[in-house]
Amino acid sequence: GENVEQHPSTLSVQEGDSAVIKCTYSDSASNYFPWYKQELGKGPQLIIDIRSNVGEKKDQRIAVTLNKTAKHFSLHITETQPEDSAVYFCAASKGDYKLSFGAGTTVTVRA
Amino acid sequence: DAGVIQSPRHEVTEMGQEVTLRCKPISGHDYLFWYRQTMMRGLELLIYFNNNVPIDDSGMPEDRFSAKMPNASFSTLKIQPSEPRDSAVYFCASSSQGARGNTEAFFGQGTRLTVV
Repeated sequence: GENVEQHPSTLSVQEGDSAVIKCTYSDSASNYFPWYKQELGKGPQLIIDIRSNVGEKKDQRIAVTLNKTAKHFSLHITETQPEDSAVYFCAASKGDYKLSFGAGTTVTVRA
Repeated sequence: DAGVIQSPRHEVTEMGQEVTLRCKPISGHDYLFWYRQTMMRGLELLIYFNNNVPIDDSGMPEDRFSAKMPNASFSTLKIQPSEPRDSAVYFCASSSQGARGNTEAFFGQGTRLTVV
């Protein structure tokens, strides 16, 4: 099955700086790569996703890049704010609606 | 829409007891997923349904776990008998079929299960 690895497991950044989280996947048939944000006591919430026919996607301060050849994708958060503090998960799917999640990255934004 | 609704939010039960978790997906969504979240194993897909039919239950850990979806607006995950190692947060999620495959999965608030 699909194996998704995510790094780092924890990330502390100064407010206003950028945060980068990286993921690799094993199954070359995977074609859908969402990123979820989970706040304490809540369920994961989609923040951005990318499909395999696109190399980069941006939504305000959040961007995702995908390198299909290397089988890795990354989340970039610019101008971080305290409300960006949360656990972030990457995931991969072959389009069969099954999502394989990474282990998560705990992001702390220091004021 | 109120989103995916799970009940109860918290459940504490004794080892050996039966536990039933409930989920109401978003109206119109034809996919429903049950996930388990633990510190050790992260987010694991247990089972998912399409149009009320179980499609893949390969993530269900043991025969003690069972899931049903009697109609489009309700699903249950049952553990019988429960064991301490079943303690986790269980999430239900739903999504709709997209023209290009996967679409956003909306998660409920989760049920925190503690088996003592």
